[in-house]
Amino acid sequence: DADVTQTPRNRITKTGKRIMLECSQTKGHDRMYWYRQDPGLGLRLIYYSFDVKDINKGEISDGYSVSRQAQAKFSLSLESAIPNQTALYFCATSEWGAGGDEQFFGPGTRLTVL
Amino acid sequence: QKEVEQNSGPLSVPEGAIASLNCTYSDRGSQSFFWYRQYSGKSPELIMSIYSNGDKEDGRFTAQLNKASQYVSLLIRDSQPSDSATYLCAVPPGTYKYIFGTGTRLKVLA
Repeated sequence: DADVTQTPRNRITKTGKRIMLECSQTKGHDRMYWYRQDPGLGLRLIYYSFDVKDINKGEISDGYSVSRQAQAKFSLSLESAIPNQTALYFCATSEWGAGGDEQFFGPGTRLTVL
Repeated sequence: QKEVEQNSGPLSVPEGAIASLNCTYSDRGSQSFFWYRQYSGKSPELIMSIYSNGDKEDGRFTAQLNKASQYVSLLIRDSQPSDSATYLCAVPPGTYKYIFGTGTRLKVLA
């Protein structure tokens, strides 16, 4: 089974709808992240959490909120979706490895806002 | 100036050749550097990390770091068509947050 899972894998929604993307991990890592990826812009950090009680905004948090329900679960919400939130969303976890803090990504959620 | 810069490519190399991917960064305080590979439509996967100046080898991959010049490179020897992917450079600016480059698309021609 995958260590980092995301649901749903694909979602099409309409402008103004509330959307929740969910992430679960079995790696036992404390640190979790949400990124979005757009063509030509690379991966950009939306929110990150170092533990259940520590949640921080990333570089593009406007229009998004998160919830860390447990060590293993980190959800991303779009309160009122808009078309420019159409993107590929990745959840990631990290742990300190031999080369530094190494990140491990989920399979991604492709979100389309019409 | 972007914090982490990569040439978007595509970089095309023939099968069996050496592919050289480059990344420059702006934060001199960065200590660790990472290379991720991303196949089209898939998630990034970690292939190399480096934190000391010089070379680090892992199989067909060699990461090279020059902190004075603020660049990190990834060499792929004996390139295979299966190496065709986008390679992302990631630089944590001193904490647990990454700054990713936009990636270089590599095409290995059979």
